[in-house]
Amino acid sequence: LAKTTQPISMDSYEGQEVNITCSHNNIATNDYITWYQQFPSQGPRFIIQGYKTKVTNEVASLFIPADRKSSTLSLPRVSLSDTAVYYCLVGDRTSGSARQLTFGSGTQLTVLP
Amino acid sequence: SAVISQKPSRDICQRGTSLTIQCQVDSQVTMMFWYRQQPGQSLTLIATANQGSEATYESGFVIDKFPISRPNLTFSTLTVSNMSPEDSSIYLCSVEPSGGAYYGYTFGSGTRLTVV
Repeated sequence: LAKTTQPISMDSYEGQEVNITCSHNNIATNDYITWYQQFPSQGPRFIIQGYKTKVTNEVASLFIPADRKSSTLSLPRVSLSDTAVYYCLVGDRTSGSARQLTFGSGTQLTVLP
Repeated sequence: SAVISQKPSRDICQRGTSLTIQCQVDSQVTMMFWYRQQPGQSLTLIATANQGSEATYESGFVIDKFPISRPNLTFSTLTVSNMSPEDSSIYLCSVEPSGGAYYGYTFGSGTRLTVV
């Protein structure tokens, strides 16, 4: 099972760009990298997924170097409402692959005014 | 992506009793997953529930303690049996993405259980 390592916590100020890096040294060839966001009293919510290079959607960008042993979630111009725990997961996309997905400790992002 | 309704949202239970948590999905799904999130901790997969077959439990979780039902493709229940204070956690159900664009696993909002 691919294990991920993230910083336990990060602080930022409103309007800044936040980059959260995740290490996944033993990522497998078929694994994708997925990031989730979790607010208190809610289940995790999908943010973005990528396999290599760069992926961008309306809320974030995901940067993945060629060796795929790490990835960086980039949140542009954060606001107070982005305060949440962010989880990085690696795993393939076959049915039932949830058994392989391991939620690490996550990164508590606190956005300050 | 699917929409999940999970009930109850929270409960306070006496030790030794059981609580059944319900998870309703707005579309048919093959697999449903149950997670536990202990206070301040990450998520741990309890079991995978397929319709028409026995649930598959992860290491450290047993059917006698966490019986699961999956009567159809849109519904599942998880029972926490003979509860103790150590069972105080958030329990979440989840479904995997299906078809079309990938939107990741969808999670219910969770059931916050406190055992006293």
